[in-house]
Amino acid sequence: AQTVTQSQPEMSVQEAETVTLSCTYDTSESDYYLFWYKQPPSRQMILVIRQEAYKQQNATENRFSVNFQKAAKSFSLKISDSQLGDAAMYFCAYRSAHGGATNKLIFGTGTLLAVQP
Amino acid sequence: DGGITQSPKYLFRKEGQNVTLSCEQNLNHDAMYWYRQDPGQGLRLIYYSQIVNDFQKGDIAEGYSVSREKKESFPLTVTSAQKNPTAFYLCASSSRRTGTDTEAFFGQGTRLTVV
Repeated sequence: AQTVTQSQPEMSVQEAETVTLSCTYDTSESDYYLFWYKQPPSRQMILVIRQEAYKQQNATENRFSVNFQKAAKSFSLKISDSQLGDAAMYFCAYRSAHGGATNKLIFGTGTLLAVQP
Repeated sequence: DGGITQSPKYLFRKEGQNVTLSCEQNLNHDAMYWYRQDPGQGLRLIYYSQIVNDFQKGDIAEGYSVSREKKESFPLTVTSAQKNPTAFYLCASSSRRTGTDTEAFFGQGTRLTVV
């Protein structure tokens, strides 16, 4: 069974600085998708960034980028020029690329990010 | 606008009662999911459905039931057998296609409290 692990329950960063959130996963599959979701105090889940496992190039979305290491099964999120609005819970998630009953979305336990002014 | 809607936003249940949480989507997604989130915790999968009239248990299905009679709807019933139902419940949907359009979209959640 696939698992997702986030080893940092809480992180803190100064405004305008850079922070990296860690995520590792375990799977025997070769085709899958990885995601980072943000959950602000409103509790609305917001997609931050997505990575397809078959792509070697790391995904980037404005100030957010990932370091995807497929062999190491590592998927970290880097937030550059941190802003107060980035303060939230961040979840790493995995989804198989194969269809069928096993195609479920699996989440890590989350990292609570605080941004200090 | 396309999206996923959960109702109600807040729900109070008396001990021994069954309650049903609504989840509707107009994104034409085949897959739908129910997650439970406890304070400071991650999302734990209760049930998921890949297609109409079919669903599978997730990691914490005991005390819950679902139905998937329509593609757009995936209601969750919290039964009296669920011993600790107070939590935040999130519904999500996603396409089963590969390639693009792979992420899940979430509703705004239902906060269930046992009184």
